[in-house]
Amino acid sequence: KAGVTQTPRYLIKTRGQQVTLSCSPISGHRSVSWYQQTPGQGLQFLFEYFSETQRNKGNFPGRFSGRQFSNSRSEMNVSTLELGDSALYLCASSITGAGNQPQHFGDGTRLSIL
Amino acid sequence: GNSVTQMEGPVTLSEEAFLTINCTYTATGYPSLFWYVQYPGEGLQLLLKATKADDKGSNKGFEATYRKETTSFHLEKGSVQVSDSAVYFCALSDPGPGSNYKLTFGKGTLLTVNP
Repeated sequence: KAGVTQTPRYLIKTRGQQVTLSCSPISGHRSVSWYQQTPGQGLQFLFEYFSETQRNKGNFPGRFSGRQFSNSRSEMNVSTLELGDSALYLCASSITGAGNQPQHFGDGTRLSIL
Repeated sequence: GNSVTQMEGPVTLSEEAFLTINCTYTATGYPSLFWYVQYPGEGLQLLLKATKADDKGSNKGFEATYRKETTSFHLEKGSVQVSDSAVYFCALSDPGPGSNYKLTFGKGTLLTVNP
């Protein structure tokens, strides 16, 4: 069974640009979550989607947005990039997102802002 | 709000030593608890989980017991190997309003095992 796939693995952008990251969940998983990982702040929750609906959102500015498609694939977008957005962005999937279900993580997209 | 506190790293051990990584939590509801491991250049892998008080999660020689009375979920392994070198994260998922559908993580503990 294929795992969670994130593309691209690495991305370099400059300040002010925008970026779109993609996540394909495990087949049959309908919940997709996104996390930002940085050395200073650790792992922080961005948002979660289920059946194309955002059910929860973390404390990030409106420049961070996401969406989910009918096949459960998800994208997140960051507009007007800032230096502080440099991070590893991790996507996770689970069957329904219920709290007792483990999240399955992809290998992440490493975003570097110059 | 919810929070997870892990012991500060890094932790350096010799092969076959005993490992304990402490984890305590604060939650408004009745959370599920997890340990994840991250190897260099990779995402997080689930190591073990427990969903109710006194549950013991175990996998690959690692164990952790859900202690509601002390709000703890300490990770232990009797004999570590060089291949266990990684960053370990304690996490919780709380079904309470506003907290649902997300994991709250500790800061992570870097473990290095020397041969």
